[in-house]
Amino acid sequence: KAGVTQTPRYLIKTRGQQVTLSCSPISGHRSVSWYQQTPGQGLQFLFEYFSETQRNKGNFPGRFSGRQFSNSRSEMNVSTLELGDSALYLCASSPGQNTDTQYFGPGTRLTVL
Amino acid sequence: GDSVTQMEGPVTLSEEAFLTINCTYTATGYPSLFWYVQYPGEGLQLLLKATKADDKGSNKGFEATYRKETTSFHLEKGSVQVSDSAVYFCALRSGTGANSKLTFGKGITLSVRP
Repeated sequence: KAGVTQTPRYLIKTRGQQVTLSCSPISGHRSVSWYQQTPGQGLQFLFEYFSETQRNKGNFPGRFSGRQFSNSRSEMNVSTLELGDSALYLCASSPGQNTDTQYFGPGTRLTVL
Repeated sequence: GDSVTQMEGPVTLSEEAFLTINCTYTATGYPSLFWYVQYPGEGLQLLLKATKADDKGSNKGFEATYRKETTSFHLEKGSVQVSDSAVYFCALRSGTGANSKLTFGKGITLSVRP
C-alpha cells in the first residue's frame, strides 16, 4: 500500500499570498489530520476531517482552512501569508475517526519571505 | 487542557549506550500514549503505543510503560545504534468524538555517534 503523499514537498511564497497544500491519504483511510511543525512551537494540531466533514479544529486563526473530498483527499489553505507561517505542514491519515494510530506523510515545507 | 512534557534536548550518546527519554503528561480521563520518531527529511512514524495503565509498548528494541500513578511514559532502549539518530516525540490522545486529538510534546533530538 502506498503511504500518505503530500504535494508539493517544498514551497516558497511571499507575505500576503495564499497557498494550497494537498494530501492523499493511504487507500481506504477516511480520516485526515493536519499539523504545523515549527522549531519554536513543535507540532500543533490544525484540524481533522472525516467523511468530508471537519470534526475537530486546533487554535489557529481563520486564515487556515481545509476541506476533504469524497475520495478522502484533503487540501489545506492558508490565506494572507505571514512570516510566522513558515513551517513544515504534516498530514496524517487513519482508517476511521478516533483511530489511535495515525500515519504521517513527509510534509510540505513552506517558506514565507 | 491536555499537555505533554518531554525532557530538554538534544541528547548525544555513544553507540551501544543505554537510552532514557523522559515524558510526562497531563490529561483528563484515560489517554492513549504514543512515541513517534522522525528521521531526517521524513514525516513521523509511530514507534510504539500503550492504551491503558501498566501496558508496555515495544518496538525495534524500544520500550515504554504507561505509568498512571506518575503520569509518565518514559522511552528506553538498552543499546542504541547510529541508525536511531532522529527526533522523538511523545504524544497522547484523549477524549472521544470531536474532542479527540493528538497532543505532542516538543520532541527531543537524539544523536548517536559511532
